[in-house]
Amino acid sequence: ETGVTQTPRHLVMGMTNKKSLKCEQHLGHNAMYWYKQSAKKPLELMFVYNFKEQTENNSVPSRFSPECPNSSHLFLHLHTLQPEDSALYLCASSQEQGTNQPQHFGDGTRLSIL
Amino acid sequence: DQQVKQNSPSLSVQEGRISILNCDYTNSMFDYFLWYKKYPAEGPTFLISISSIKDKNEDGRFTVFLNKSAKHLSLHIVPSQPGDSAVYFCAAKDNYGQNFVFGPGTRLSVLP
Repeated sequence: ETGVTQTPRHLVMGMTNKKSLKCEQHLGHNAMYWYKQSAKKPLELMFVYNFKEQTENNSVPSRFSPECPNSSHLFLHLHTLQPEDSALYLCASSQEQGTNQPQHFGDGTRLSIL
Repeated sequence: DQQVKQNSPSLSVQEGRISILNCDYTNSMFDYFLWYKKYPAEGPTFLISISSIKDKNEDGRFTVFLNKSAKHLSLHIVPSQPGDSAVYFCAAKDNYGQNFVFGPGTRLSVLP
């Protein structure tokens, strides 16, 4: 068990659909992250929540909307996505943002936009 | 403009030999570095770290070397095993930064 669980693992959606990605961590961490991984590109940080407060929005389009109801759960709400949004979306957690402690990653959601 | 570069997209090595994965960075303020390993259909998992106060850190078959003057680090795997075949990412952070910056990864293939 990775300690960080993401659902669904795969998602195919049309550009007009609304869907949500879910992430849950069982590690007692206080920081949670959303990353986008496109082919042959570095991991792209999207959002960070530290102690349930959003501390980072890395110029992400408003069609992506994060939600962090508590330290263990993180959502990414998707609406009116574009084909270029097709990618692997990774959730991660760490003890606290800003420390040198490594992040623990989930296995990702492979998103395909038709 | 990538601050962390892994200029070799892929590397193939024979089983039992040494694998050397390289990472270069441009920000001289970076002072802590991580290596992650990623298998297909899985998330990255932490492998080994190094602080800028050291030039070497070793954990079993894995050793990371840091050359601060060259802004270069490398991951050595000895001996390489087929199970080491994965994508390896390096990541860097400075003392005042909130987040790690990741490189694009190098795909290692260890051939039996």
